[in-house]
Amino acid sequence: KAGVTQTPRYLIKTRGQQVTLSCSPISGHRSVSWYQQTPGQGLQFLFEYFSETQRNKGNFPGRFSGRQFSNSRSEMNVSTLELGDSALYLCASSLGLAGVLGTDTQYFGPGTRLTVL
Amino acid sequence: SQELEQSPQSLIVQEGKNLTINCTSSKTLYGLYWYKQKYGEGLIFLMMLQKGGEEKSHEKITAKLDEKKQQSSLHITASQPSHAGIYLCGASPWSTSGTYKYIFGTGTRLKVLA
Repeated sequence: KAGVTQTPRYLIKTRGQQVTLSCSPISGHRSVSWYQQTPGQGLQFLFEYFSETQRNKGNFPGRFSGRQFSNSRSEMNVSTLELGDSALYLCASSLGLAGVLGTDTQYFGPGTRLTVL
Repeated sequence: SQELEQSPQSLIVQEGKNLTINCTSSKTLYGLYWYKQKYGEGLIFLMMLQKGGEEKSHEKITAKLDEKKQQSSLHITASQPSHAGIYLCGASPWSTSGTYKYIFGTGTRLKVLA
């Protein structure tokens, strides 16, 4: 079974631009979560989508948004990029929603490295 | 303050040596996950612990969740260079105001000298 895939793997943008990242979950997984990882803050939860609905959200500004499609694929969008948005963005998929023990083990993709100049 | 504290932050060991990484929570844990990450890459799932006292092993890596379910330890026996990387513990579910989220520890960077 194929793992979680993320595209693109690397991205360079300038301040003020917007970016869209894509994530394809493991086949059969219905939950997709997004994380931002930086050396200073570590791994921080952005949001979780399940059945095309955002179910959980971390403490990030509204510039960070996402969506999930009927095939469980998910996209994350960041508008008006800032230098501090430079990070590794990780996507994870799981069978079930957070809080449903036994089906919420997350499997991560390789990440998208975003650099904002 | 960090909700999941890992110690040590970094570790350098000689190949063949045993080592232990700890993950301490400020709350009772209902699900504790261990992951390994190579620099700049995604996280690789190692194991999940759910019950206090539970212990699981994968090859030379053993993890345990203590009885009070507020601490987990990851032990590597006879370390090899292939064990090098960043080890992260993660907790789920973690509820704040009725919404659940996953949280992760700060990570332990392991280097194994050949």
